Amino acid sequence: AQSVTQLGSHVSVSEGALVLLRCNYSSSVPPYLFWYVQYPNQGLQLLLKYTSAATLVKGINGFEAEFKKSETSFHLTKPSAHMSDAAEYFCAVSNSGGSNYKLTFGKGTLLTVNP
Amino acid sequence: DAGVTQSPTHLIKTRGQQVTLRCSPKSGHDTVSWYQQALGQGPQFIFQYYEEEERQRGNFPDRFSGHQFPNYSSELNVNALLLGDSALYLCASSRRDRGTNQPQHFGDGTRLSIL
Repeated sequence: AQSVTQLGSHVSVSEGALVLLRCNYSSSVPPYLFWYVQYPNQGLQLLLKYTSAATLVKGINGFEAEFKKSETSFHLTKPSAHMSDAAEYFCAVSNSGGSNYKLTFGKGTLLTVNP
Repeated sequence: DAGVTQSPTHLIKTRGQQVTLRCSPKSGHDTVSWYQQALGQGPQFIFQYYEEEERQRGNFPDRFSGHQFPNYSSELNVNALLLGDSALYLCASSRRDRGTNQPQHFGDGTRLSIL
C-alpha cells in the first residue's frame, strides 16, 4: 500500500523567501509522485509529477521538486515566494503508472505568504 | 476546451436522505475517478469508472455507488446520509491509455453539507 506524509500542516513565509514544503512517501513499488495545489473553493491543479524520468522535476509557476529514493522524499520548493502562491498544497502517490491508477494524498500543507 | 465540470456546486441534505452528484469529464477523457475531501484533510479515493464499469474502489461503504454513462459522464450516489458524509466531493478525469503520463484533471467539486 502507498502512503504520503506531509510534514507541517501550515508553513508561513515572507514574500520573496524560499518555499520548502516537505513530503515523504511509502510505496512497495516504484512510486509515481505528484504535487497539486488547491486555491479556496476550487479543485486541485497539478503543479508537477515524477514518473521515473529525471529526479529533479520542474513544474508550473516556478515550482520544482526533487525525488530522493534514499530518503523516500519528494519535497516541493520555489526560490522566491509570491503572494499568489498562498494556497493549500497536496503531495500524492499513485499505485501504478498504468491506465487505472488512483491517487493517495497527504493531509496537505497550507502555505501563507506574508508581505 | 471545457475542463471537468461538476454539479451542483453546493448541496444541503439531512441525515438519512440520498444524494446524486454529477460530473462531466474533460473532452477526450474516458475515465472518471471520485474523491471525498473532508474539511482539513486530503482527498480520499472513492472509486473509478471506465467503460461504464467500476474498476477500482477505495475503503468506502456500499452506501456509496456510482455510474458512468456512454458519453463518459458520471454520477456519484450516496444513500442513508450521515453527518460524516459532509465533505467536498471531487471528480477527476483522465485518459486510460495515457496512464500517469496524463495526470488526472480535477473539477471544482460539490460541497455537500449534512444537517
